[in-house]
Amino acid sequence: EPEVTQTPSHQVTQMGQEVILRCVPISNHLYFYWYRQILGQKVEFLVSFYNNEISEKSEIFDDQFSVERPDGSNFTLKIRSTKLEDSAMYFCASSRPGQGKNSPLHFGNGTRLTVT
Amino acid sequence: AQRVTQPEKLLSVFKGAPVELKCNYSYSGSPELFWYVQYSRQRLQLLLRHISRESIKGFTADLNKGETSFHLKKPFAQEEDSAMYYCALVPFSGSARQLTFGSGTQLTVLP
Repeated sequence: EPEVTQTPSHQVTQMGQEVILRCVPISNHLYFYWYRQILGQKVEFLVSFYNNEISEKSEIFDDQFSVERPDGSNFTLKIRSTKLEDSAMYFCASSRPGQGKNSPLHFGNGTRLTVT
Repeated sequence: AQRVTQPEKLLSVFKGAPVELKCNYSYSGSPELFWYVQYSRQRLQLLLRHISRESIKGFTADLNKGETSFHLKKPFAQEEDSAMYYCALVPFSGSARQLTFGSGTQLTVLP
């Protein structure tokens, strides 16, 4: 069964540095998402992306964050200047049309970001 | 705004015992409810959704609009059911597919 893949599985970076988290969604999916989970807290929505633009974003997704689909397969999340509080597990997800408006999300394994 | 509440952070049951993981939601419109499961060191994966009315791995969940609940149940728990379970909601008529998650319940099934 096809899967959403995320790289790297763990990223350590220094405060103030830029990081790019990469995701390869399932190939026939058209909707892409980023979620994050701070240790011990709930999974939180960051952003959804469709037709090469952001569909919706949460308050967490401020100007430090950006998403891009640079080619036909990758979907990236960039954090421009990382802060300690950005340390979290970041999950990419994708879904496809044709299963109703709210087709289920398929999640990647996540990237653990540690900001020191 | 929608909200999902899972009142139990941790739940332990013995193998063969019934298990119920509670989920309550608040949303003014018509929601679609899901249960996602995360086994140790694995990805979040869909367990079931209320519109499918399926039973997956022996689990069922009924949407109770009067009580705004979507509790997950299994009559006889197995050790392999030990995992983190997340209840999630998305507005049924919403254009965004933003899932709102509960805080999760860690289920441990004891031998």
